[in-house]
Amino acid sequence: SQQGEEDPQALSIQEGENATMNCSYKTSINNLQWYRQNSGRGLVHLILIRSNEREKHSGRLRVTLDTSKKSSSLLITASRAADTASYFCAPRDDKIIFGKGTRLHILP
Amino acid sequence: DTAVSQTPKYLVTQMGNDKSIKCEQNLGHDTMYWYKQDSKKFLKIMFSYNNKELIINETVPNRFSPKSPDKAHLNLHINSLELGDSAVYFCASSQGTKGNTIYFGEGSWLTVV
Repeated sequence: SQQGEEDPQALSIQEGENATMNCSYKTSINNLQWYRQNSGRGLVHLILIRSNEREKHSGRLRVTLDTSKKSSSLLITASRAADTASYFCAPRDDKIIFGKGTRLHILP
Repeated sequence: DTAVSQTPKYLVTQMGNDKSIKCEQNLGHDTMYWYKQDSKKFLKIMFSYNNKELIINETVPNRFSPKSPDKAHLNLHINSLELGDSAVYFCASSQGTKGNTIYFGEGSWLTVV
C-alpha cells in the first residue's frame, strides 16, 4: 500500500482558467485514481488511469500518468465554480490510502 | 437510491459515552471500509472487510470495533469516546480489494464534548 502526495496543497484560479494538480507516489501500481470531495460531502470517483496508459480524458478532465517518474497530473479545463473542491489521488495497489489532497478554489 | 448510506449524519456526545455508526451499501460489493477524516482533512483508512472478514486493521485504538453482520453492512462501534475522536467518519465499499473504484458514503460528523 502507498499514499499519493498531491501538489499544490491549495490552488486558487479564476473561473474559466485551467487547473492542474499533480500527484507523486513511490512504488509500482495497478492503476491510479482521482477523487473529488466537495465541502461536507463524501469522496466521488472522477477517473481511473491504468498503469499501461499514459493519458485519459473524461469531459473536461485530462489525466496523465508517467510511471517512470511515478507521477500523475489532473487537468481541469475551463474551470467552473462547481469545481471548487478538494481533489485526491489514489495510487492503487492493494489498498487505497489517500493523501491530504489539493484544495481547489475557483474565483468568480 | 443511495449507494452507500451511513447513519447518523451528525452525532454530538459526551466524553466517555459509547456510540455506533451504521453503514449499508446496496451495490452488491464484497468489500467495505471505514475511513476517518480529521480537522486537517487528512483521510485515513481504519478498517476494511472483504466478505465479512477483516482484512485491513490500521493502527486504531481498541475502543474502535467494526462489525460486519453481512456483506452489505459494516458498523463501527466506539467505546469510551474521547475528544480526539471528533472527526468525520466515512464508510465506503468496492468490488474486490485490488484496484477497483471505491464508493463513499456522505460521512458521519462526530463531535465529542
